Amino acid sequence: SYELTQPPSVSVSPGQTARITCSGDALPKKYAYWYQQKSGQAPMMVIYEDNKRPSGIPERFSGSSSGTLATLTISGAQVEDEADYYCYSTDINGDQEVFGGGTKLTVL
Amino acid sequence: EVQVVASGGGLVKPGGSLRLSCAASGINFNNAWMSWVRQAPGKGLEWVGRIKSKTDGGTRAYAAPLKGRFTISRDDSKNIFYLQMNNLKTEDTALYYCTVASTYWDQGTLVIVSS
Repeated sequence: SYELTQPPSVSVSPGQTARITCSGDALPKKYAYWYQQKSGQAPMMVIYEDNKRPSGIPERFSGSSSGTLATLTISGAQVEDEADYYCYSTDINGDQEVFGGGTKLTVL
Repeated sequence: EVQVVASGGGLVKPGGSLRLSCAASGINFNNAWMSWVRQAPGKGLEWVGRIKSKTDGGTRAYAAPLKGRFTISRDDSKNIFYLQMNNLKTEDTALYYCTVASTYWDQGTLVIVSS
């Protein structure tokens, strides 16, 4: 079955840039999406179609994708950005959708 | 404003069945792809399945391990879609989210499978 691979954790100090990666064989052909999930809350989309930002998402959130690697970048991370982040995409046929295992971002 | 509300969760014994419902408003439901995602306690997000809009063929897809036990359907006349879960196992215990176009999410409905 198709898998997306993320690092389990990333830690930065406030104001630094956080980068979270997502690796998947179909990413050269399929979009990546990124979700933020804070403790006790439903997930919220922060990036769609590799690099687009939904309305209301701060500009410090950006996305990119190159080859089999998608990256979520938080420029000038803030304490309120502490959360679990999940990438999401589909297999090459578009039939199986999958989430990465999630990355816990710590900002302190 | 888009609102998505799921219901139908609860406690069920292993081998039992449960049907979750998800109502959406504030969107063009007929054109929306709807998905279910679940999250076991302390674990990550797991895609369950999705149903395309009728205009896009209305086809359904499921996570491979769940195929055969879970069925997704939609009633566009009521702006509701469903997740029918049969032969439930203890490992199906999770918070189940419904999503509209992978963008709008409800707060989740809890399913506990336990004897």
